[in-house]
Amino acid sequence: EAGVAQSPRYKIIEKRQSVAFWCNPISGHATLYWYQQILGQGPKLLIQFQNNGVVDDSQLPKDRFSAERLKGVDSTLKIQPAKLEDSAVYLCASSFGRGTQYFGPGTRLLVL
Amino acid sequence: AQTVTQSQPEMSVQEAETVTLSCTYDTSESDYYLFWYKQPPSRQMILVIRQEAYKQQNATENRFSVNFQKAAKSFSLKISDSQLGDAAMYFCAYRSADTGAQKLVFGQGTRLTINP
Repeated sequence: EAGVAQSPRYKIIEKRQSVAFWCNPISGHATLYWYQQILGQGPKLLIQFQNNGVVDDSQLPKDRFSAERLKGVDSTLKIQPAKLEDSAVYLCASSFGRGTQYFGPGTRLLVL
Repeated sequence: AQTVTQSQPEMSVQEAETVTLSCTYDTSESDYYLFWYKQPPSRQMILVIRQEAYKQQNATENRFSVNFQKAAKSFSLKISDSQLGDAAMYFCAYRSADTGAQKLVFGQGTRLTINP
């Protein structure tokens, strides 16, 4: 069974630029999560989707971050404009209902 | 809001020895789940072990076991017969049993080094 796929694996941008990350969850997993992991910290949930609907986006900085899951499968997380403090690893995870969350390899973002 | 605290930023152990990683959490809920996740260097996070709060019996998975003390809000991970492949960041995580709240709340992590 294929795991959670993410791309790109690494991205370097200048501050105030925009960037997008892509995630494809495990087949059949209706629930998809985006976490932000700043160096030296544990991951923090940014947004959770159930199919193509948002369940929790309370910690998403909505002035600069946006996410979508239009067809209830893959998802895109966008940052516009990026700030230095957005440098982090962005993890995508998926689960079948309320089961175990399986994580992708992450996208490492560096904002200069 | 729930919080998870891992007070040991780094731990080291000799290969084949036993090590215990500590985790405490704060919640006002009575029903929840606790997890230990492993994140090897430059590799993805994987689930090590899971504990349901309503179960009094401590979870075990091969060489990994937990000591769950609900009243003390403590959830430690014991790794027996440590192997070089156990070297990683270990994260303790909490999840509410509320049907709408599925997010994981993570601690800061403990970096485990295995000395050959």
